[in-house]
Parts: sequence; structure tokens; C-alpha cells
Amino acid sequence: EAGVAQSPRYKIIEKRQSVAFWCNPISGHATLYWYQQILGQGPKLLIQFQNNGVVDDSQLPKDRFSAERLKGVDSTLKIQPAKLEDSAVYLCASSLGVMNTEAFFGQGTRLTVV
Amino acid sequence: AQSVAQPEDQVNVAEGNPLTVKCTYSVSGNPYLFWYVQYPNRGLQFLLKYITGDNLVKGSYGFEAEFNKSQTSFHLKKPSALVSDSALYFCAVRDRDGNNRKLIWGLGTSLAVNP
Repeated sequence: EAGVAQSPRYKIIEKRQSVAFWCNPISGHATLYWYQQILGQGPKLLIQFQNNGVVDDSQLPKDRFSAERLKGVDSTLKIQPAKLEDSAVYLCASSLGVMNTEAFFGQGTRLTVV
Repeated sequence: AQSVAQPEDQVNVAEGNPLTVKCTYSVSGNPYLFWYVQYPNRGLQFLLKYITGDNLVKGSYGFEAEFNKSQTSFHLKKPSALVSDSALYFCAVRDRDGNNRKLIWGLGTSLAVNP
């Protein structure tokens, strides 16, 4: 079974530039998550999709971050414009359900904003 | 409010010795509990979960965890540690019954297994 695919693995951009991350979840997984993980901290949920609908985006900085899930499968997360404090690892995860099912994570995209 | 505490930032153990990584939680209802592991430069990997039933849960790589409702704990254990177990471990909880269904993550515990 193929895992969660993310690209790119690494990205370095200057502040005020824009960047996009792509995620392909495990086939058949209805729930997709984007997390931000700052070094030394636990993951912070940015947005959760159920199929192509948004379930939770309460911690997404909507003035600069946006996300969509195309046709309930692939997803993209965009930052525009980036700030220095956005430097982090962005993790995509998917799961079959929501409440009692575990999530499967991609390897993440390490973003450095200089 | 929901919360998860991993009271130890770092745990050091000698190879072959038993290891314990502690986790306590607070939810208004009954919990779903999860452990994940993160190896260097890798994404998070699921280890095990408690949903209901037997309080002792067995998971991947020889790990197990015991759900203790009275102590609101879900400590991760392994009888004999390996150097390859060195990684960052995260505990997470979701309230099964309350209005807030978010998955709450601990800050992580760094496990170092010394040869």
C-alpha cells in the first residue's frame, strides 16, 4: 500500500515570497490533515478536510495560508506571503475516519524562510 | 479543557533495559489515546492506540501501553530497549464524548537508548 506522498521535501524561500506544498493521501482515505511542526514542538493542526469539505481550519492563519482539496483526493497548501516564523516542517496526513482511527503521515516538507 | 502532558522532555535508557515514556491526559469524556513516533528527518508513524476494551494495548516494534483511567495515564513501555528505538515520541488524545473532538498532541519526549 502506497503511503502519503508529499512534495517538495525541502524548500527555501525569501520572506514575502509565496510557496505551495502538495499532498497525495492514501487511496480511499476520506480525511486529510495539514499540520505545522516547529522544531522541538508537537504538530499543530492547520486544517482538516473530510472528503473535499473543510472540517476544522480554526488554527489556519487565513490572511496568508490557504488550502484546498481537489475532488476529495489531492491537496495543496499555500503560503502567501511567507514570514520568517513560517519556517517549519509541514506534514500532511490522512485517515480512513476521524474519531478513533489513526492517521498516516507523509515525510513532510521542510520550509525555510530567509 | 482537553490537554496532554508528557512530563519528561528526554528519557535516557541503556540498551536492553525496559523503557517507559509517560503520558497523562485530561478530557471531559472518555478518551481515544494514541502514540506516535518520529525518527530523525522522518514523518510521524503510528505506534498504537487505545479505543476501548483491554487496558493493555500492544503495538508496533514491541511497544505497548497501559490505559489507566483512575490515573488518567497512558504510558508507553517496552521490555527491552534497542538503540534503534531512539526517536521522538508523541502522545495524543481525542475526547470521545465531549463537544471538542480535536486531536490534542503532547509536546513530545525524546528517547535516547545508549549502547
